[in-house]
This record gives sequence, C-alpha cells and structure tokens, in this order.
Amino acid sequence: DGGITQSPKYLFRKEGQNVTLSCEQNLNHDAMYWYRQDPGQGLRLIYYSQIVNDFQKGDIAEGYSVSREKKESFPLTVTSAQKNPTAFYLCATRLAGGPETQYFGPGTRLLVL
Amino acid sequence: GNSVTQMEGPVTLSEEAFLTINCTYTATGYPSLFWYVQYPGEGLQLLLKATKADDKGSNKGFEATYRKETTSFHLEKGSVQVSDSAVYFCALSDYSGNAGKSTFGDGTTLTVKP
Repeated sequence: DGGITQSPKYLFRKEGQNVTLSCEQNLNHDAMYWYRQDPGQGLRLIYYSQIVNDFQKGDIAEGYSVSREKKESFPLTVTSAQKNPTAFYLCATRLAGGPETQYFGPGTRLLVL
Repeated sequence: GNSVTQMEGPVTLSEEAFLTINCTYTATGYPSLFWYVQYPGEGLQLLLKATKADDKGSNKGFEATYRKETTSFHLEKGSVQVSDSAVYFCALSDYSGNAGKSTFGDGTTLTVKP
C-alpha cells in the first residue's frame, strides 16, 4: 500500500561521524522535503526537492546534504559539521501543481553518543 | 515572508470540554491553510484544510474557518476525548513563487484528562 517509509526509526551517531537517513515513497509525488523537529518547537525546513536531480536549501541546511537521484528516494546525510544533530527528522512529500497537502513519514530520531 | 502564530500551550482539558486553539497567519499571496496533528512518536497527518476565504474545513468533529479579514484559522471541537491528546500544528502553503514550501506554527500540545 502507498506511503512514505523512513528508516531507521532510531539512529545513533558518534562524534565526527556522518549518518544517512532514508526516505522512500511510493505515492508518485514529485516534491519531497526534510524537516527537523526539536522538543517543543515547530518544524524547520532543511532541504527540499521539486523534481529529480534538483534540490534547494531550506532554512537550516548547514551541516546537512541530500540527493535526489530517483523520484522515490530523498536521503538526508547528517554530516560531522552539524554540531547539534539530536532531533526528530521528518520526511514529507507533496503532489506538485498546487497548494496540496504534505504527507509525512513516521520520522527518524537521531541521538548522539 | 510568511509566518504562522499559534496559541501557546500546553493546553489541558477534561473530557467533553470545548476546545479552541488559536492560529493567525501572515502571507503575501492567497494561502491554503491546514491543521495537522501529531501523535507521540509519529509523523504529522492532515486533520483538515481550507483553500480559500470563508471555507470551513472539518474532520473527526474538529472545525476551522478560513477568516481572511482577521487572518485567522482557529481550530475548534465541541467535545474533546482522551484520544484527541496530541500536538496540533497550524500551517499555510502559498505556492505562488514560493517553490512549494509550507510554513508551520510551533505546535500546541493538547492533553485531555478523563
């Protein structure tokens, strides 16, 4: 059945390590987004992509990188340059062409060891 | 730029009480407005939406009316249940020249006690 999967559910990062969060969708949506959520705060946009092989920085892109090689996939890498990576990361998709709803995955919680 | 301001939480109510969560917005275009709900440890899911002024969105007993004159989209429910305990986010999308981005409020945590 259609949806968005994010893996893993929990991820642990060691000092100086890069980690990659997976986001896969079979909704055939064009646009994909990555958000960061900190406790008691709203969602902050990290990166977004409207079409394959193209993506743009959001409000807090520093220390993160993405790729969009396939329509179905939009992985997020948290690099060692991100000094405070502990957060809940949410992937979302949207059908392009208008003010449509965003659909969210279940999220990945990243913790630093 | 666009912005969304939600009433600060947390909000604690007894079962069957009336709920209002205030939301006001600032936008340069003609936005669509949304309420999303997030249950513990999960992603957000759409609760209701309205795409133009005076539209009323409704779902599961929740309602919100798009008020352009007051730039508001307040969420209401006549009788809350324990299962309504969650975080509620007001959001807008204004895709005119905005590259498909949405703007979210900070969220309001609702706890309903039996």
